[in-house]
Amino acid sequence: GENVEQHPSTLSVQEGDSAVIKCTYSDSASNYFPWYKQELGKGPQLIIDIRSNVGEKKDQRIAVTLNKTAKHFSLHITETQPEDSAVYFCAASQRSNDYKLSFGAGTTVTVRA
Amino acid sequence: DADVTQTPRNRITKTGKRIMLECSQTKGHDRMYWYRQDPGLGLRLIYYSFDVKDINKGEISDGYSVSRQAQAKFSLSLESAIPNQTALYFCATRRGSGISSTDTQYFGPGTRLTVL
Repeated sequence: GENVEQHPSTLSVQEGDSAVIKCTYSDSASNYFPWYKQELGKGPQLIIDIRSNVGEKKDQRIAVTLNKTAKHFSLHITETQPEDSAVYFCAASQRSNDYKLSFGAGTTVTVRA
Repeated sequence: DADVTQTPRNRITKTGKRIMLECSQTKGHDRMYWYRQDPGLGLRLIYYSFDVKDINKGEISDGYSVSRQAQAKFSLSLESAIPNQTALYFCATRRGSGISSTDTQYFGPGTRLTVL
């Protein structure tokens, strides 16, 4: 099955700086890569996703890049703010298994004021 | 997502007890999922259901069972709870069929289960 590795496990950044989280996946057939943000006491919420026919996607301060050849994808958060503090999960899935998600272990992001 | 609710939100129980966690959704989605979250392990799939009559095991189904009582309701049961089932449990839904089908899963707020 699919194996998703996520790094780093914790990340502390100064407010206003950028944060980058990296994930690798093992199954070259994976073609859908969502990123979820989980705030304390809440369930994961989708913040951005990318499909294998696209190399980069941006939504305001967050962006995701995908390198299919290397089988890795990354989340970039610019101009970080205190409300960006949360746990972030990457995931991979594919249409052939009805988009069942395989998750990374998560990254705890702390934005220092 | 407020359209996906889970009850209870917190539960403390003892080893050997039977526990049921419930999930309800008002999104009209056909797919429903149960995940378990442990620190450092991300979310792992326990069971998933395509519709009321189609239920499938995920990667860690041992010790768990599920029931899809209606399209909107999906329950997870621990027949005889053990301490290593202490975890956060999340329900999720997805519209997997029809012209409005998507690949996005929407999560409930979670249930924190502690087995003593």
